[in-house]
Amino acid sequence: DVDLTQSPATLSAFLGDTVSISCRASQNVGNWSAWYHQRPGNAPNLLIQKTSNLQPAVSSRFSGTGSGTDFTLTIRNVESGDIGTYFCQQYSRAPWTFGQGTKVEI
Amino acid sequence: QVQLRESGPALVKPSETLSLNCSISGTSIINYYWSWLRQSPNKGLEWIGYSQLNVATVYNPSFKSRVTISIDKSRDLISLTLTSVTAADTAVYYCARRGPAAVFVGWGPGTLVTVSS
Repeated sequence: DVDLTQSPATLSAFLGDTVSISCRASQNVGNWSAWYHQRPGNAPNLLIQKTSNLQPAVSSRFSGTGSGTDFTLTIRNVESGDIGTYFCQQYSRAPWTFGQGTKVEI
Repeated sequence: QVQLRESGPALVKPSETLSLNCSISGTSIINYYWSWLRQSPNKGLEWIGYSQLNVATVYNPSFKSRVTISIDKSRDLISLTLTSVTAADTAVYYCARRGPAAVFVGWGPGTLVTVSS
């Protein structure tokens, strides 16, 4: 299975900050990465697929970059609604796998 | 708008079978791939498998010998059964709509299943 390692595990930000979350894959997954946001008590919500393609209605404050084994989610101008946990996912090789999550606090 | 909702027992005894349903509304169940995933503190998010009616059913090898996903078109239901459960199967179980690529574009609210005697 492809292991995904996210860092940091927890991220503390001030409103208006720009923050980045890293996701490193144990094997080359090309551009087949996605990012999800999970608010406490809710299901995950897809933000980005194919590394950098924003889902409709997702704010342009979110962006994704990377390829191969290293991927980054960047959040500009952090807002209070951005709190929660962010997960990366690879879908290059089955079984599709997720990172362990990065908790964002304000 | 496509909506999903999981339902089933909240408590299952060890060695027994976990059975969950996911009801679909807002679309035809035959149009998409439907997945089951779960989330636990120990193992995080895990993809269990997916199915599209009359197209394909694929399971995560970690579950393959214990899991069945089926689709009931007449009732707009996707079912999950997981046999021989242990405490390690305690998790929030989600059904989700899989996109054309293997990402999960819409999720149910999830249902917590605890395995305990």
